[in-house]
Amino acid sequence: AQTVTQSQPEMSVQEAETVTLSCTYDTSENNYYLFWYKQPPSRQMILVIRQEAYKQQNATENRFSVNFQKAAKSFSLKISDSQLGDTAMYFCAFMKKDFGNEKLTFGTGTRLTIIP
Amino acid sequence: GAGVSQSPRYKVAKRGQDVALRCDPISGHVSLFWYQQALGQGPEFLTYFQNEAQLDKSGLPSDRFFAERPEGSVSTLKIQRTQQEDSAVYLCASSLRGIAYEQYFGPGTRLTVT
Repeated sequence: AQTVTQSQPEMSVQEAETVTLSCTYDTSENNYYLFWYKQPPSRQMILVIRQEAYKQQNATENRFSVNFQKAAKSFSLKISDSQLGDTAMYFCAFMKKDFGNEKLTFGTGTRLTIIP
Repeated sequence: GAGVSQSPRYKVAKRGQDVALRCDPISGHVSLFWYQQALGQGPEFLTYFQNEAQLDKSGLPSDRFFAERPEGSVSTLKIQRTQQEDSAVYLCASSLRGIAYEQYFGPGTRLTVT
């Protein structure tokens, strides 16, 4: 079974600053995907960024980037130039690459507050 | 286009009542997932459909929970004889299987059992 750990229950940062959210995971699988999802107060979960485990290059999406360390089983999210709209719960999630078994395993989340 | 929709958005049930939660996935999405999110926690997997086939129901917490997707589109999660521990937000997600593996989530149904 896979487990995902987010050790920072809450974080806050000033607008325009950079913040890094941490995530570690445990798995015996070699082929998998990792995700960061954002859940604003309206509660609809939105995909922020995705990383395929076999790709060494870290994924980036505009102001969002990840630091994927496969050997250390670490997958942190960096948000640059943070904006008020980034205030949300952020969940790290794991998916085994297996047709017929596409479920996500989530961490407990980090509540991020961007301070004006 | 329209995203994933869920109804009702809020449901209050007395302990022992049966409830039915509905999910309308994005049109054409093959895969459909149900997750349970307790207060202050991350979502936890309940069950997974590929078209009308329920391929994984390992996360259903008891035999009081039942899910179906008879025509491969709309899905219903039914909880019989609700208990207080069933109080949670129930999230539905759909995806185009094999394409990017991105799951699109609905707004959830908040179930409160009194």
